Amino acid sequence: EPEVTQTPSHQVTQMGQEVILRCVPISNHLYFYWYRQILGQKVEFLVSFYNNEISEKSEIFDDQFSVERPDGSNFTLKIRSTKLEDSAMYFCASSEVWVAQETQYFGPGTRLLVL
Amino acid sequence: LAKTTQPISMDSYEGQEVNITCSHNNIATNDYITWYQQFPSQGPRFIIQGYKTKVTNEVASLFIPADRKSSTLSLPRVSLSDTAVYYCLVVANYGGSQGNLIFGKGTKLSVKP
Repeated sequence: EPEVTQTPSHQVTQMGQEVILRCVPISNHLYFYWYRQILGQKVEFLVSFYNNEISEKSEIFDDQFSVERPDGSNFTLKIRSTKLEDSAMYFCASSEVWVAQETQYFGPGTRLLVL
Repeated sequence: LAKTTQPISMDSYEGQEVNITCSHNNIATNDYITWYQQFPSQGPRFIIQGYKTKVTNEVASLFIPADRKSSTLSLPRVSLSDTAVYYCLVVANYGGSQGNLIFGKGTKLSVKP
């Protein structure tokens, strides 16, 4: 069964450093998402992406965040200057179409720890 | 989107049937009810989705009464590996709707031997 993959599985960084989280969505999917989950809290939507542009973003997704699809397979989330509160599990997801009833397939996540 | 309310936690034993009820009093005509499962340190995984009456797949059943103000996820004969958090989500189905999923706190199911 096709799956979403994410790298790295764990990332430790110093406050103020830039990090790039990488995702490879399912190959025939056109819509991509990033979510995050702070330890012990609920999964929160960050951004959705289609046709090389952001479709929707939450208030969490401020100017420190950016997304990119640099080639035909990767989808990245960049945090420009990390803060302690960015420590969380970051999940990438993809779907074939962009309606909420469509199943989204989530990756295994990247655990980011900002020191 | 309609707000959902579900129990924070539930305990069960192996082999039992587990029913998790979710209330969504303000569900709109075009909304679907979707359930995701999340194991520790993993991403959420789609379980089942329905609009009304009953839906069954190889993993679970979803019961939705006529007024659609609640729904019940039924897991038959749970095993230890069903220990997870289960999320009830109401998702909109109309042209141009947002694709992002809004997760609540979910129900933490603990299955004991």
